[in-house]
Amino acid sequence: AQSVTQPDIHITVSEGASLELRCNYSYGATPYLFWYVQSPGQGLQLLLKYFSGDTLVQGIKGFEAEFKRSQSSFNLRKPSVHWSDAAEYFCAVGAENSGGSNYKLTFGKGTLLTVNP
Amino acid sequence: EPEVTQTPSHQVTQMGQEVILRCVPISNHLYFYWYRQILGQKVEFLVSFYNNEISEKSEIFDDQFSVERPDGSNFTLKIRSTKLEDSAMYFCASKFLAGTDTQYFGPGTRLTVL
Repeated sequence: AQSVTQPDIHITVSEGASLELRCNYSYGATPYLFWYVQSPGQGLQLLLKYFSGDTLVQGIKGFEAEFKRSQSSFNLRKPSVHWSDAAEYFCAVGAENSGGSNYKLTFGKGTLLTVNP
Repeated sequence: EPEVTQTPSHQVTQMGQEVILRCVPISNHLYFYWYRQILGQKVEFLVSFYNNEISEKSEIFDDQFSVERPDGSNFTLKIRSTKLEDSAMYFCASKFLAGTDTQYFGPGTRLTVL
C-alpha cells in the first residue's frame, strides 16, 4: 500500500528566507505526486502536481518541487518565503484504480509553516 | 473561479444520531470524493463516486456510511449512527476528467460528535 512521510511537523522560517519541505513516498508503480496547502478555515488548495515528464515542476505562488525517483522524494521549495505562505502543507500520492480511470489520494501528516517577520 | 462548497461548516451532533454532510461539486465535474481528517492525523480517503455508483471505498467506509448524488448538483455523505470516533473534518473533492485530472477540494465540514 502507498504511504507518504513528511518528516517535519513544524517549520519556522524568516520572511525572505528560502524554504524546503520534505516529502518521501512509498508506492509500487510510477506515482502521481501532489502538494496541497491549507490555510486556516480554507480547503486544500493544489500547489503543484507531478504525473510524468520533467521532474522539476512549477506551481502556483512561486513554489516548485522536484521528483527524485532514486530517493522516493518530492520536496517542495520556494526561494523566498512571504508572510502569506504561513499555512499547513500536505504532500500526497495518487494511487490509480485498476482501470486507470481514477485515483485516490494518500496524504502525509502535513507540515505547519510559520513565517517570522 | 468555480469551487467546491460544503455545508454546514461545523456540525455538532449527539452520539447515535444520523448526520448528512452536503457538498456541491464544481458543476461539470464527474468524479466525486469524500476524505476525512481526524484532529492531529492524516487526511484519509473514504470513498470515490462516479456515474452514480461507488467506484472505490476504504475500510473506514463501513455500513454506517453512505453517499448519494440526489439531484445532479449535490453530493452527500450520510453517517447513520454517529460514534465519538467519527468526529473529524470531512472534505469533499471533485474532478472533471478520468485519469490524471486534478481533484479540487472544498473547505470541509467539521463534525463534532458528543
